[in-house]
Amino acid sequence: DAGVIQSPRHEVTEMGQEVTLRCKPISGHDYLFWYRQTMMRGLELLIYFNNNVPIDDSGMPEDRFSAKMPNASFSTLKIQPSEPRDSAVYFCASSWEQGGRTQYFGPGTRLLVL
Amino acid sequence: GNSVTQMEGPVTLSEEAFLTINCTYTATGYPSLFWYVQYPGEGLQLLLKATKADDKGSNKGFEATYRKETTSFHLEKGSVQVSDSAVYFCALSGTQGGSEKLVFGKGTKLTVNP
Repeated sequence: DAGVIQSPRHEVTEMGQEVTLRCKPISGHDYLFWYRQTMMRGLELLIYFNNNVPIDDSGMPEDRFSAKMPNASFSTLKIQPSEPRDSAVYFCASSWEQGGRTQYFGPGTRLLVL
Repeated sequence: GNSVTQMEGPVTLSEEAFLTINCTYTATGYPSLFWYVQYPGEGLQLLLKATKADDKGSNKGFEATYRKETTSFHLEKGSVQVSDSAVYFCALSGTQGGSEKLVFGKGTKLTVNP
């Protein structure tokens, strides 16, 4: 399997612009997680889905952030409008019910908001 | 709630030195415990895991034993290599609702010098 795929790998944008991050989980996995990693705050769970349904979005920082999972093979994380403090590396991870809670991470999207 | 505490870094060692990275946890119930590794510019990768008390996880010369009596899961390696330079994260799974979530420590950066 190709593993978790994220795009783009790098994104540079200006404050106020909309940013969309994309994730394709490992085929057959039924859980999908979005994380944010910064030097100051470490690794934070933003939201996770089970069978395409959002289960826990308590980590989403504010209304500017939204996530969707329209089908089992695709998810998006959108920031609108973006702010400089959103600059971070965003990771997507997936896991499956029978996998002993092991999560498999994508390579991340490095976002810089100017 | 569940939490993980791992030793502050950074840790700098010479090649072939012995490595210990301490990890202790607080949890209700019986979580699974994990060590993940993050190489520069990459996502997190599972290094090893243990699912019940007294289990030993091992991989690539690294080991960690699930100690319920001391609520610990310390990572060890007998002889580190330059290629082991990375950030290491201790994590535990949820034990009740939301058990698919992982709680991560803040990470310990290891640098191995030749």
